[in-house]
Amino acid sequence: GAVVSQHPSRVICKSGTSVKIECRSLDFQATTMFWYRQFPKQSLMLMATSNEGSKATYEQGVEKDKFLINHASLTLSTLTVTSAHPEDSSFYICSARDPRRQSYEQYFGPGTRLTVT
Amino acid sequence: AQRVTQPEKLLSVFKGAPVELKCNYSYSGSPELFWYVQYSRQRLQLLLRHISRESIKGFTADLNKGETSFHLKKPFAQEEDSAKYYCALETSGSRLTFGEGTQLTVNP
Repeated sequence: GAVVSQHPSRVICKSGTSVKIECRSLDFQATTMFWYRQFPKQSLMLMATSNEGSKATYEQGVEKDKFLINHASLTLSTLTVTSAHPEDSSFYICSARDPRRQSYEQYFGPGTRLTVT
Repeated sequence: AQRVTQPEKLLSVFKGAPVELKCNYSYSGSPELFWYVQYSRQRLQLLLRHISRESIKGFTADLNKGETSFHLKKPFAQEEDSAKYYCALETSGSRLTFGEGTQLTVNP
């Protein structure tokens, strides 16, 4: 089946620094990937749609200068949290659809736990 | 704006009992609805979608446009059904809006 991986699985960084999270489609090419954020015991909230070779589309209320998304290849999208602050601490999850399949299914990564100290 | 509501954060049933997880939505367009499931320590995965009208692991869900609902049902719950269930609405560009999720516990 289609597999999406994320790296790292967890990261701790100091306030004011930047951190990059990678999302990879391992056995398929994804022209579109999605980034979600999940606070403890809350639902997933879509942050942005990552489009290969073009600019990401951000959801209302998401700061594009703070959450930089780059989709440089058909198998890799990166999310960079710039000048991180403690309130950015969260669980970040990516997903992608496999264009080879007729299904509408989105395949999710395992998530990245970000802690900003 | 679209919205998905799952009124129950926690639901507990005994093995063999029927289970229904409620989901209501609001959306001005034609809804595409899904149920995703997250088992303990695993990633989110698709359980079923309304278009396919299929039964997966004994679960079914019917889209009721009049009541704007997409409740998930299973006649006889099993212990392995214990998980967190999310109802999701797909809008333009394959974007998903998730409900808050319902943690289902099936007791022996």
